[in-house]
Amino acid sequence: AQSVTQLGSHVSVSEGALVLLRCNYSSSVPPYLFWYVQYPNQGLQLLLKYTTGATLVKGINGFEAEFKKSETSFHLTKPSAHMSDAAEYFCAVSGAGSYQLTFGKGTKLSVIP
Amino acid sequence: EPEVTQTPSHQVTQMGQEVILRCVPISNHLYFYWYRQILGQKVEFLVSFYNNEISEKSEIFDDQFSVERPDGSNFTLKIRSTKLEDSAMYFCASRPGVVNTEAFFGQGTRLTVV
Repeated sequence: AQSVTQLGSHVSVSEGALVLLRCNYSSSVPPYLFWYVQYPNQGLQLLLKYTTGATLVKGINGFEAEFKKSETSFHLTKPSAHMSDAAEYFCAVSGAGSYQLTFGKGTKLSVIP
Repeated sequence: EPEVTQTPSHQVTQMGQEVILRCVPISNHLYFYWYRQILGQKVEFLVSFYNNEISEKSEIFDDQFSVERPDGSNFTLKIRSTKLEDSAMYFCASRPGVVNTEAFFGQGTRLTVV
């Protein structure tokens, strides 16, 4: 069984500031981890994923995330927030052999000019 | 760029009525999914479909739900007798079937049961 906890349902940052969105997971098997972004009135778009190999993964729009097995975390970061980053971000986990995704509750990111 | 398309974007139905939500997955993808997101809550897995049969389903996916791939391109979710609590955004997704690939999501159908 898998679960995902996203700390903070709403995060506000100033334009140009660091973005940090937290995700912790629980999985009984080696996890595959994903971050999706949802812009208003749109579907879910993949930002980045970790499956195997390098624990620091880079995604689109300057985002990256680091898989830390000891901390069961997969936090999403971006060095400098842009207004266009305002959206809802979802962390998700699946296990090897099952491609069912288990999502966190989402974090809504606001960027203040 | 190939994308998953869903129709309609918004559907309003009366309680007790049947609804069919339609999806066209990306061509050549092998795995198909339905997820739902009740307003203010997390995205929840409903069902996965592979090789013309259900491969996994959640507790939410009870007898009132069914899925079908009627013609090799469309992938449908039928809700037989809708309840107020079925009001949600329903997302279709597809995957190529190659190991380590992500799911590609459609833009969703907002179902409102009145």
